[in-house]
Order: sequence, then structure tokens, then C-alpha cells
Amino acid sequence: SAVISQKPSRDICQRGTSLTIQCQVDSQVTMMFWYRQQPGQSLTLIATANQGSEATYESGFVIDKFPISRPNLTFSTLTVSNMSPEDSSIYLCSVEGKNTDTQYFGPGTRLTVL
Amino acid sequence: DAKTTQPPSMDCAEGRAANLPCNHSTISGNEYVYWYRQIHSQGPQYIIHGLKNNETNEMASLIITEDRKSSTLILPHATLRDTAVYYCIVRVAKGFGNEKLTFGTGTRLTIIP
Repeated sequence: SAVISQKPSRDICQRGTSLTIQCQVDSQVTMMFWYRQQPGQSLTLIATANQGSEATYESGFVIDKFPISRPNLTFSTLTVSNMSPEDSSIYLCSVEGKNTDTQYFGPGTRLTVL
Repeated sequence: DAKTTQPPSMDCAEGRAANLPCNHSTISGNEYVYWYRQIHSQGPQYIIHGLKNNETNEMASLIITEDRKSSTLILPHATLRDTAVYYCIVRVAKGFGNEKLTFGTGTRLTIIP
């Protein structure tokens, strides 16, 4: 399985600011995803990060609020923009390789917005 | 919406086999059953997956009924470290469409000493 790291692991931010979360994989992968897990809830897919093109967003998530970059096959960023306390969640990236049919998850970024 | 139904919680004695059920009555022929677990807000950990045959790896066994409408994840000798939320997920096979994972509410498994 791939080794996935996320930065930062946690942060406390003020409302109205933005935070960029990084996801780094130790090998090239075809698919990268970003999920959100609100307190006490299950995981919800935000978007699929596409290499070389715009991310594909799920219903209820928009690019202006959650801009995503994926400059290459091992790295992606998710920005949480103009944050409010409702954005307090764990944000997780996951990856899937070309020759596998299994997604692996990073450790997550715990965000608290005051 | 998640395509699976799981009991919200279960207890199991340490050292015994933990059997976690999952119903997926609307599963399609090209959809796999995946199991993940999440320990105390860490990133979900992949456990096992299968299409129609039973599967076993170093972590668990997956038993899928012949009609594929339900499955059971078996942890053969549960330890305290197996306490987690277990998610049963149905996902289309690679190359057949949107291969995203849709998480339901899962089963909170508590291993009792």
C-alpha cells in the first residue's frame, strides 16, 4: 500500500481565513480524493483531484469554497476558503493506484475554526 | 446515499471471533464489497474486499452470500486494538464508472476485555 502524508496534521484557525492542506504520496497514483468528516459523522467525498485538469466536485461542494490542485501524480492540495466554524472537521485524502482497486487513506488533518 | 445497512453497534469479547454483518440487497453484478475501519478519528484503514467469492487475508475473512445481498466480516481473534468503527461499502469495479467510496454510518465495534 502507498504511504500517504498530510500537512498540517491539525490546525486552529480564525473565521474568514483560508487553510491549504497538502497530501503527499510516496508513489505515483492515478486517483486522488478529498473527504471531509464532520464531528461525530461519517466521511463525505468532497471531490476527485484530477491531474492536469479541474477537480470533479460532489454535490454540495464548490470550487470557490474548496479549490483543489493536483500538479503531478504524487501531490495534491485542498484549500478551505473563508472558513467558518461549520468547517471544523477532519479532512482526509485518499489515493488509488493504476494497477490496484483499493483506496488508501492519509492520516487526516484536524481543523478547528474559531 | 450509502447502499449498505449495518448495525450501529456491537460488542465482542476479547479473544473471540467478531462477526460484523452487512446488507447490500441492491448490489449490482459489477460492484465489489469493501470493508474499512476507522480507529478513533484516524484515517480509515483498508481491511478486505470481494466480489462473490469468500476472501481471507492476514486481518480478516469476508463471507459473501451466494445471492450477494449480504456479507459478514470476521475478525477471528478480536483484540482490544480492534475496537473501531467498521464500514461496509459497495463500489463499482474499476473501469466501470465512478469508483468513489460512499461511506455509511458503519458499525461501532467494542471489544470487551
